[in-house]
Amino acid sequence: DTAVSQTPKYLVTQMGNDKSIKCEQNLGHDTMYWYKQDSKKFLKIMFSYNNKELIINETVPNRFSPKSPDKAHLNLHINSLELGDSAVYFCASSQDGTGGPGANVLTFGAGSRLTVL
Amino acid sequence: QKEVEQNSGPLSVPEGAIASLNCTYSDRGSQSFFWYRQYSGKSPELIMSIYSNGDKEDGRFTAQLNKASQYVSLLIRDSQPSDSATYLCAVNFFGNEKLTFGTGTRLTIIP
Repeated sequence: DTAVSQTPKYLVTQMGNDKSIKCEQNLGHDTMYWYKQDSKKFLKIMFSYNNKELIINETVPNRFSPKSPDKAHLNLHINSLELGDSAVYFCASSQDGTGGPGANVLTFGAGSRLTVL
Repeated sequence: QKEVEQNSGPLSVPEGAIASLNCTYSDRGSQSFFWYRQYSGKSPELIMSIYSNGDKEDGRFTAQLNKASQYVSLLIRDSQPSDSATYLCAVNFFGNEKLTFGTGTRLTIIP
C-alpha cells in the first residue's frame, strides 16, 4: 500500500478553471502538508494541518484553499487557475509537525503535475 | 527571511569517488537538519537527518553539522551511478514548525 497517495498525478487545464487535488496517508501521522515545486525545483511549503487544524499558512493566494476532513486526508482546491500555478504539487505527512527535533521527517506523495494552458 | 542555500550544480563526480554536497543556513538557532534525495520526476525521499554537531554516518552516507559556522554537508562515499539525483537540504528553524528547503544540488555520477 502506498503510504501517501495523491490524485490525480497529472492535471492539464485552461486558465480560469477550478481544480482539486486529493491526498491521503495511511501512516497514522498527525500532520499533513502541501508543497509546491516550481520549474527550478524549488520546494516551498504552502499549508500544514495538524489533526485537522491549520498550523501553517504561507503567503499563498486565497485562490488556494486546503481542506482536511480528518487527519488522514488533506485536499487542495484551486480557483481561477493562472499560468503561474503550473508546478508539481506534493502532499507530505509527518508524525508530528508541531516543532522540536525530529518533528519534520516528511514522507512525500508522488506529486501532482499541474499544467495551466 | 530565513534561508537555506545550496550550490545548484550540476556537480559531476567519477564513479567510486567521494561526492561532497554543502548547505548553509541563515538562522543560528536552527534545530533539525535533513538531506532529501529526489530523482528526476519523482518525489523527495529522506536519506539523512542530523540534530547535533559532528558527523553522522549511515552506510555510504555521512552528514556533517557545524552549527557555529551554520553549515551542513553530505558526503557520499564510493559514489554509484544510482546516486545521480538532486539532493535537497532542509532545515527546521528554531520555533518554527515548517521545514525550509534549499534549491537543491544536482549530482551526476560519471561511470
